[in-house]
Amino acid sequence: GAGVSQSPSNKVTEKGKDVELRCDPISGHTALYWYRQSLGQGLEFLIYFQGNSAPDKSGLPSDRFSAERTGGSVSTLTIQRTQQEDSAVYLCASSPSRLRGIPYEQYFGPGTRLTVT
Amino acid sequence: LAKTTQPISMDSYEGQEVNITCSHNNIATNDYITWYQQFPSQGPRFIIQGYKTKVTNEVASLFIPADRKSSTLSLPRVSLSDTAVYYCLVGDRYSGAGSYQLTFGKGTKLSVIP
Repeated sequence: GAGVSQSPSNKVTEKGKDVELRCDPISGHTALYWYRQSLGQGLEFLIYFQGNSAPDKSGLPSDRFSAERTGGSVSTLTIQRTQQEDSAVYLCASSPSRLRGIPYEQYFGPGTRLTVT
Repeated sequence: LAKTTQPISMDSYEGQEVNITCSHNNIATNDYITWYQQFPSQGPRFIIQGYKTKVTNEVASLFIPADRKSSTLSLPRVSLSDTAVYYCLVGDRYSGAGSYQLTFGKGTKLSVIP
């Protein structure tokens, strides 16, 4: 079946503008994750969804960042008033579920490369 | 939250076995250890996961000592296509407060030389 898809693949925006990044998880996957990866760096956890609820928003770097998930499927990460330091690759992942603390493997999308000029 | 430490980079010749060690001194009782592989311009890909002792699949082996304060990813007979960044992940678990903590290490950049 299809893997995790993200759109757009690349986004160039001017400082101060708002952007929306979309993630389509694998069908049936209840868990969805957003990460950020700056050039040459590791993955920085942003937010986690279980169904439509987000039990962990601790990684969101500021109140300019928000995310939602509707219908237990598609998720949108919104960055308001973008800054140059927001430039990074934003990765989305999904996994089937979480059972008694045993982590299922995460399936990652190709990412959205965001450049703020 | 368990933090991880990995070598920043490693070099290996084709056909050799490569062992990448990850330190996680404050790993919690319920934590699992998961390794991911990432090629340039791609998202990470799951390699292997374990809790204790040894786990082996068609791609790699994972060795975890009894104290679980470290783990070693073993790649047999590497090829050029194994050149990638390898991440050790610990702490992918549910906490009593309802908070999920997902922290990747900084990763180890493996370069396979012909």
